[in-house]
Amino acid sequence: AQKITQTQPGMFVQEKEAVTLDCTYDTSDPSYGLFWYKQPSSGEMIFLIYQGSYDQQNATEGRYSLNFQKARKSANLVISASQLGDSAMYFCAMREASSGYSTLTFGKGTMLLVSP
Amino acid sequence: DGGITQSPKYLFRKEGQNVTLSCEQNLNHDAMYWYRQDPGQGLRLIYYSQIVNDFQKGDIAEGYSVSREKKESFPLTVTSAQKNPTAFYLCASAVSTGQSYNEQFFGPGTRLTVL
Repeated sequence: AQKITQTQPGMFVQEKEAVTLDCTYDTSDPSYGLFWYKQPSSGEMIFLIYQGSYDQQNATEGRYSLNFQKARKSANLVISASQLGDSAMYFCAMREASSGYSTLTFGKGTMLLVSP
Repeated sequence: DGGITQSPKYLFRKEGQNVTLSCEQNLNHDAMYWYRQDPGQGLRLIYYSQIVNDFQKGDIAEGYSVSREKKESFPLTVTSAQKNPTAFYLCASAVSTGQSYNEQFFGPGTRLTVL
């Protein structure tokens, strides 16, 4: 079974609208961390936001927020007020206690296109 | 400026040749990683190192080798045994392992094409 599932290969949104990118994960560890990265066409991976499994509140970083639903094992990324520069691939990733938190497992990504 | 450098950005090699991809970081990070990315795919872990002179295989280590002689450097060799080496290779580093919250910082990547 895949540890990280991103079911949306591509998403379209108009500038200034909000968009939600889905991520579900599979782990039996009680302790884990969830990450979202952005990959523009240049290829470099940019860290966006982190959510720990024991965090009581949903993480927020500027226009990015994480809709963390632990019981559903989902960690959806919400981008508010989309900008043209948000067009990129977005990856969800997880780090688990069972690996000693040593490695990240990535999903296959969602391509987001923001139109004017 | 602190960061991770990978060189070159584009690399072409003939089939059957070994090739070494460079990764250097000046962030004083203990942990370093190599990933492979194919079109339409996520990142897959090749090797990682948590400390100098130590490294572990990732999910797709076959046909690759690494060394970690210095904290700052983690070169990846793509050997002729790698069946399909054409891909985008990303190097990353992290302060350390052992905590859930340490994000990984990535280099700009090297696009390897084997002809």
